[in-house]
Amino acid sequence: GNSVTQMEGPVTLSEEAFLTINCTYTATGYPSLFWYVQYPGEGLQLLLKATKADDKGSNKGFEATYRKETTSFHLEKGSVQVSDSAVYFCALSEPGGSYIPTFGRGTSLIVHP
Amino acid sequence: DVKVTQSSRYLVKRTGEKVFLECVQDMDHENMFWYRQDPGLGLRLIYFSYDVKMKEKGDIPEGYSVSREKKERFSLILESASTNQTSMYLCASSPTTTSGNTIYFGEGSWLTVV
Repeated sequence: GNSVTQMEGPVTLSEEAFLTINCTYTATGYPSLFWYVQYPGEGLQLLLKATKADDKGSNKGFEATYRKETTSFHLEKGSVQVSDSAVYFCALSEPGGSYIPTFGRGTSLIVHP
Repeated sequence: DVKVTQSSRYLVKRTGEKVFLECVQDMDHENMFWYRQDPGLGLRLIYFSYDVKMKEKGDIPEGYSVSREKKERFSLILESASTNQTSMYLCASSPTTTSGNTIYFGEGSWLTVV
């Protein structure tokens, strides 16, 4: 079956630091890959996505590249802000297959001023 | 913008009560989901539905039921609430596409059972 593994948190950084949150996956087909973000007290919202190998998703200064050879989709940001403090979820969805996405456990990011 | 609306943000219910959590989406999505989220456990799927009147059990269906009488509405029912059902409940919807399904979440419902 499909699975998504994320690094455990919390990840604690100072403002303007570089961020990497690792995500690897296993899938039977050719999934689309997603990062979702959950701010405190809210639901999840799509941050970025990539639908095929070597695609780069980007949004709000965050980036992730779909690496088929390493089955990875690591989230990066060059300079984090306090407002980026949230929980980040990596997920996959197989087109034409199960309607149910597979989520990682989530990684909490805490950014200090 | 896609909107998934959960009717109640915060509820406090007594043990043994029947609880209804309502969810409505406005994008004509085929698929709808109910998750619960607990610290350290991530998202756990309770039920999902891929069409009107169709439902499938997720990972933790025990103690819950669902209803989907109209395409836009998906209700979660706790037949007899218990304290271990105190949690954050998230409703979501997604289209059925050929390029991977972005899933859209509501803001969540915080349920406390006392």
